Amino acid sequence: DSGVTQTPKHLITATGQRVTLRCSPRSGDLSVYWYQQSLDQGLQFLIQYYNGEERAKGNILERFSAQQFPDLHSELNLSSLELGDSALYFCASSALSGGSYEQYFGPGTRLTVT
Amino acid sequence: GEDVEQSLFLSVREGDSSVINCTYTDSSSTYLYWYKQEPGAGLQLLTYIFSNMDMKQDQRLTVLLNKKDKHLSLRIADTQTGDSAIYFCAEIVNYIPTFGRGTSLIVHP
Repeated sequence: DSGVTQTPKHLITATGQRVTLRCSPRSGDLSVYWYQQSLDQGLQFLIQYYNGEERAKGNILERFSAQQFPDLHSELNLSSLELGDSALYFCASSALSGGSYEQYFGPGTRLTVT
Repeated sequence: GEDVEQSLFLSVREGDSSVINCTYTDSSSTYLYWYKQEPGAGLQLLTYIFSNMDMKQDQRLTVLLNKKDKHLSLRIADTQTGDSAIYFCAEIVNYIPTFGRGTSLIVHP
């Protein structure tokens, strides 16, 4: 158990819909990362937040957005969903920001768009 | 970061050594990582190496870094069936992590 929690574990929704994925980082961690894992694209970094502020942005679509709240939990919002958005979405947290800080991954949310 | 490349599969016999290779393309990478993913689980950090090191050993794991060729390898000694998983190498450049596609390690009894 990494100490990172993600809800829900599974989500099935239809094209065009909007969903919110939630992540609670390990106690004391200030940095949160979001990833998308699919067979086509592998593991893709989406976005990072550090203490409430966006720190780095990767291959995140404009239909996707995220935020980190004052209690440090984070939400990833996916809108106008397409079939190709079906994937595993992971959240990870680290104590601070930067390469020397180990990222701890949550168990993931499996999103299926039908 | 740019592309990080790994071979997709590796099959070994239990008790043998496994060597998983990775090529990265961004010479400014400061840290390089190896993660393990078991079925149905998130990634778990196995080890990492700082770019000014050539080698790092941690129990059964040995990481070798050839900065000139941008080549990273992970050696697992005395591979066990419990080591069967997908192994990812990764780099972080300017706060942006880039992962390889992962190498599926299959360990035969």
